[in-house]
Amino acid sequence: DTEVTQTPKHLVMGMTNKKSLKCEQHMGHRAMYWYKQKAKKPPELMFVYSYEKLSINESVPSRFSPECPNSSLLNLHLHALQPEDSALYLCASSQVTSSTLNEQFFGPGTRLTVL
Amino acid sequence: AQSVTQLGSHVSVSEGALVLLRCNYSSSVPPYLFWYVQYPNQGLQLLLKYTTGATLVKGINGFEAEFKKSETSFHLTKPSAHMSDAAEYFCAVSGPTGGFKTIFGAGTRLFVKA
Repeated sequence: DTEVTQTPKHLVMGMTNKKSLKCEQHMGHRAMYWYKQKAKKPPELMFVYSYEKLSINESVPSRFSPECPNSSLLNLHLHALQPEDSALYLCASSQVTSSTLNEQFFGPGTRLTVL
Repeated sequence: AQSVTQLGSHVSVSEGALVLLRCNYSSSVPPYLFWYVQYPNQGLQLLLKYTTGATLVKGINGFEAEFKKSETSFHLTKPSAHMSDAAEYFCAVSGPTGGFKTIFGAGTRLFVKA
């Protein structure tokens, strides 16, 4: 299985809502990533988990809260978002090797709209 | 620090014509280089990667790229464009100094005319 799955595909939420994005992989990868992608822009790294521990937080606002409950799952909890947070949220995974080769496998993304 | 520059935000070719998407990188250490493709409303898919060894790298869907250290380039080519190649293409770099971070270029939108 070489697939990264993300749910939901689309999400519309109000600024006072709480929602979660989910990501799952069964490739045995021990690094998992959250990216935010605005239209016509490259992905921007938000968070990286390595061996279920938060390794990188790219100064993301606290209204985004990541969670890695086990080696296959990655969640992104959303609360009190702003309209400018509307974007495609991509999950990715990769191996963790001494060479730091960072070939990432991406999921299809969740299209988030904040009203 | 590592960086990637993709020349041309939009490239338009006719079906059957050569595809050339340009990428230049900056890295103080030997880089790992990638090309990803993104179709509308989808995630990124790896086309090909360069790590070490052979400088001409073949990928999926008939694409290939050549690593030229002297020119710090990693241009993507395909001999004959197909309508299905229309997509956004991202060049990316990572390496020992970047850790888990992959640095993406701004992207090039490829249009294929019938």
